[in-house]
Amino acid sequence: DAKTTQPNSMESNEEEPVHLPCNHSTISGTDYIHWYRQLPSQGPEYVIHGLTSNVNNRMASLAIAEDRKSSTLILHRATLRDAAVYYCILRRTGNQFYFGTGTSLTVIP
Amino acid sequence: DVKVTQSSRYLVKRTGEKVFLECVQDMDHENMFWYRQDPGLGLRLIYFSYDVKMKEKGDIPEGYSVSREKKERFSLILESASTNQTSMYLCASSLGGGPIDSYEQYFGPGTRLTVT
Repeated sequence: DAKTTQPNSMESNEEEPVHLPCNHSTISGTDYIHWYRQLPSQGPEYVIHGLTSNVNNRMASLAIAEDRKSSTLILHRATLRDAAVYYCILRRTGNQFYFGTGTSLTVIP
Repeated sequence: DVKVTQSSRYLVKRTGEKVFLECVQDMDHENMFWYRQDPGLGLRLIYFSYDVKMKEKGDIPEGYSVSREKKERFSLILESASTNQTSMYLCASSLGGGPIDSYEQYFGPGTRLTVT
């Protein structure tokens, strides 16, 4: 099964970069790596996804290790609104996604 | 903007009742999903559908069924609600036509169901 491992929690100071790690050692060659985040009292929202190359969008950057067994979500300047639970997700088997319990990010003013 | 709406934000039902949770998306997405979210367990997939009248079981389908009669609507049915089905239920949708994980999922706000 394609499973992910993330730290339970992380802290960051406001306006500093945040690097959120994810291990996925059982990833297969065709699995996309997705990141979502969930703000309090809301449904998860998409952040970014990639397959092999590093990806950038307006919200974040995704750095994927060369062997694809780990990835890092990078928030370039954390704001208080970035406080959320961040999920690193792979497709598991067939069409199933494994969300896991994610990393709870606290942003300190 | 993609919009996924769920019929209720909060719902209280009694044990043994039949419960319908409705989800509607307005972006003509092929794929729709139902998850439940519980503290310490993260999100777990209950069912998903990749086309009208098509459904696939997720991790925890027991005690649930689904219906997709129209492309935009995906219903989750609790045939006989039990207290262990008290949870937050989240619906999502995504494009289809390719590998399912190549597309982002758009989530609704969730329905907090309490079964007493």
